[in-house]
Amino acid sequence: AQRVTQPEKLLSVFKGAPVELKCNYSYSGSPELFWYVQYSRQRLQLLLRHISRESIKGFTADLNKGETSFHLKKPFAQEEDSAMYYCALRVRGGSNYKLTFGKGTLLTVNP
Amino acid sequence: GAVVSQHPSWVICKSGTSVKIECRSLDFQATTMFWYRQFPKQSLMLMATSNEGSKATYEQGVEKDKFLINHASLTLSTLTVTSAHPEDSSFYICSASLDRVGYEQYFGPGTRLTVT
Repeated sequence: AQRVTQPEKLLSVFKGAPVELKCNYSYSGSPELFWYVQYSRQRLQLLLRHISRESIKGFTADLNKGETSFHLKKPFAQEEDSAMYYCALRVRGGSNYKLTFGKGTLLTVNP
Repeated sequence: GAVVSQHPSWVICKSGTSVKIECRSLDFQATTMFWYRQFPKQSLMLMATSNEGSKATYEQGVEKDKFLINHASLTLSTLTVTSAHPEDSSFYICSASLDRVGYEQYFGPGTRLTVT
């Protein structure tokens, strides 16, 4: 079965510092990975998908199949980045796609 | 676009009663909807997948008779927690997809259920 691991429950950095949120996955097939973000009192929203190789709000994430990782990085954290971040793996299960989420990392960016 | 709403946002019910949670896609037709459960400070766990017009597919360990899912129209899915108990207290989140296989999911704001 597939699994997503986010080893850090909490991560606290100062504004302007680099930030890296770790995500490791376990899946026998070809993975499709995503980062979702949940700001305080808001709904879960898609931040990044590995297939797009894009930078959103200064965040990037690279899929490393050798290390089975998909870490989220930003060179200079901002206070507005404070949120809960979830790494997710999408797999095809039966007739539907399914998302398996990690437990999330709460990022706090201090002024 | 692709807005999903849930109602109610917060509900308190007494142990033994049933409570219904609605999930609506406001500006698109959702062929597939998903229901997740989130315990405090934990991840989202998929409970079931519902395709419009057919029976929901439940994940292993989720009681079908306890968590009744109905997806009667392309814009509405409901989750009914029957004979609720305090351990059912949780945050329930739905997501909706335009396609039949759930390739892209848009999430609702969630419903907090408290069973007393």
